[in-house]
Amino acid sequence: DAGVTQSPTHLIKTRGQHVTLRCSPISGHKSVSWYQQVLGQGPQFIFQYYEKEERGRGNFPDRFSARQFPNYSSELNVNALLLGDSALYLCASSLEGRQLAYEQYFGPGTRLTVT
Amino acid sequence: GIQVEQSPPDLILQEGANSTLRCNFSDSVNNLQWFHQNPWGQLINLFYIPSGTKQNGRLSATTVATERYSLLYISSSQTTDSGVYFCAVGSSNFGNEKLTFGTGTRLTIIP
Repeated sequence: DAGVTQSPTHLIKTRGQHVTLRCSPISGHKSVSWYQQVLGQGPQFIFQYYEKEERGRGNFPDRFSARQFPNYSSELNVNALLLGDSALYLCASSLEGRQLAYEQYFGPGTRLTVT
Repeated sequence: GIQVEQSPPDLILQEGANSTLRCNFSDSVNNLQWFHQNPWGQLINLFYIPSGTKQNGRLSATTVATERYSLLYISSSQTTDSGVYFCAVGSSNFGNEKLTFGTGTRLTIIP
């Protein structure tokens, strides 16, 4: 079975531009979460979506937004890119969302470089 | 929010040695996962262990939820075990929907 997939693998953008990252969860998983990992640190939670609804939001500015589609895939959008947005963006999927704790599985990530 | 501390931050061992990695957390949890991050950034699931003990080959883990810590044991280390090991927790007190990660333990196995 396919794991969590993300696209693109790498991306180079210029300050001020916007970017869209994509994620497809494991088949049967309805919850998708997004994390940002800056070099040398652990991943930081950005968003969680379950059944197309936002279930959680981390401490990130409004430039960050996301959505989930009927097929449970998800997009993360970042507007007005800053140099500090350069990071590895990780997507994770799990069976459920808030009420029960389920194991999360991560994709390979998208490495974003902002110049 | 919940705090997660991992120790040691760095560990350098000879191939064949055993190691113990520790994860302390500040509140009750109902999700605890151990991951190995490879050089390409992929987080590989090692254990889902909010409580109890599990073993998988040369790796085992124990979580003592009442004392708010978890241990990851690696026996007979191999060079392929090198990388960063993360502990991540989820708590119903802070929203099950997110995992809070520790800062990781960087393990280097020398041939």
